[in-house]
Amino acid sequence: GAVVSQHPSWVICKSGTSVKIECRSLDFQATTMFWYRQFPKQSLMLMATSNEGSKATYEQGVEKDKFLINHASLTLSTLTVTSAHPEDSSFYICSAENWDGGGTIYFGEGSWLTVV
Amino acid sequence: GQQVMQIPQYQHVQEGEDFTTYCNSSTTLSNIQWYKQRPGGHPVFLIQLVKSGEVKKQKRLTFQFGEAKKNSSLHITATQTTDVGTYFCAGPRSNDYKLSFGAGTTVTVRA
Repeated sequence: GAVVSQHPSWVICKSGTSVKIECRSLDFQATTMFWYRQFPKQSLMLMATSNEGSKATYEQGVEKDKFLINHASLTLSTLTVTSAHPEDSSFYICSAENWDGGGTIYFGEGSWLTVV
Repeated sequence: GQQVMQIPQYQHVQEGEDFTTYCNSSTTLSNIQWYKQRPGGHPVFLIQLVKSGEVKKQKRLTFQFGEAKKNSSLHITATQTTDVGTYFCAGPRSNDYKLSFGAGTTVTVRA
């Protein structure tokens, strides 16, 4: 079945550095991918929509210069957390919609970011 | 803005018992989706309901979409330890159709 792969699963970085997270749709093309943030025992909060070939659209309150999104191909979107701080520590998860599969949404495995 | 609310937030169930989790939207939804997230895992799509009053079953799981398309429920019968996890409902936002997730119902099972 359709799979969305996210990498890395876990990352620890020092405060002030940048971290890149990749989201790949392995067997389908996704013109649109979504990036979410999930705090422990809370729901998924949409951060931004990644659009292949154009700029990402960000939700209100999400800093676009801090969370850089690039959707360079139909199977890859990246989220870069720039100048990370401890408050950026969270579970980041992407999703992609498989239109050929009836519009089912598939989530990546998620990436745990810890900023120390 | 549109809100999707879920109750209860936590559900502690004795193995073998039934339970129901409820989802309510402040606006009419074009469809509603349900996801399950196991502890430490990622959300996995369970089902989508589109029609008013629709009822769908997946083995011990019964999903229902309200007549007004503003609420939904998930009923699990004969709960098993494999049912542990958080169940989210999600509906498309009316302005851009991006999914808005409920807070989720976290289910624990007593053996």
